[in-house]
Amino acid sequence: AQKITQTQPGMFVQEKEAVTLDCTYDTSDPSYGLFWYKQPSSGEMIFLIYQGSYDQQNATEGRYSLNFQKARKSANLVISASQLGDSAMYFCAMREGGRGSQGNLIFGKGTKLSVKP
Amino acid sequence: EPEVTQTPSHQVTQMGQEVILRCVPISNHLYFYWYRQILGQKVEFLVSFYNNEISEKSEIFDDQFSVERPDGSNFTLKIRSTKLEDSAMYFCASSEGQGNTIYFGEGSWLTVV
Repeated sequence: AQKITQTQPGMFVQEKEAVTLDCTYDTSDPSYGLFWYKQPSSGEMIFLIYQGSYDQQNATEGRYSLNFQKARKSANLVISASQLGDSAMYFCAMREGGRGSQGNLIFGKGTKLSVKP
Repeated sequence: EPEVTQTPSHQVTQMGQEVILRCVPISNHLYFYWYRQILGQKVEFLVSFYNNEISEKSEIFDDQFSVERPDGSNFTLKIRSTKLEDSAMYFCASSEGQGNTIYFGEGSWLTVV
């Protein structure tokens, strides 16, 4: 079974609009972390935002916010005021386990976001 | 801002040859990782390394692969006898501690011909 599911292979958004990229996860571990990474066409993997399973508030980092719905096991990334430079692949990833976890990330298949001028 | 650096950015090698990919993790980080991304596919975990030994490895990380921290700064991935299916982007990553954010390098494209 997929541990991380990203159901949108591709998304389009108009510049300056907000966009939500979906991510659902599957784990029985009560302690876990959820990450979003951006991969531009140049290939590097850029960390965007992190949400811990015990965090009370949704994570925010500038124009990025994470809509964390624990009961639904979803961790959607919201990008506000899209810019042309946001066009990239976006990967959701999960790390299971709290103390003692070695930090192995499980990635989803990614969503390709295209921002239209 | 500190970053993970990788060399080479791109390497083409003949099947059967040995390849060493190099990484310099962020200086105060203690946990090191290698991940792989075959073109068009998702990122896959290969191995994690802590306290000078492998702490976890995936099924992909077979006897053809090895990792080493030869000095205080470098972290290397060696593929002993490359196969065509080893062609991929290889990412090095590091984190400060357990439960901390994992930062990736820019990747090394390996093409096996």
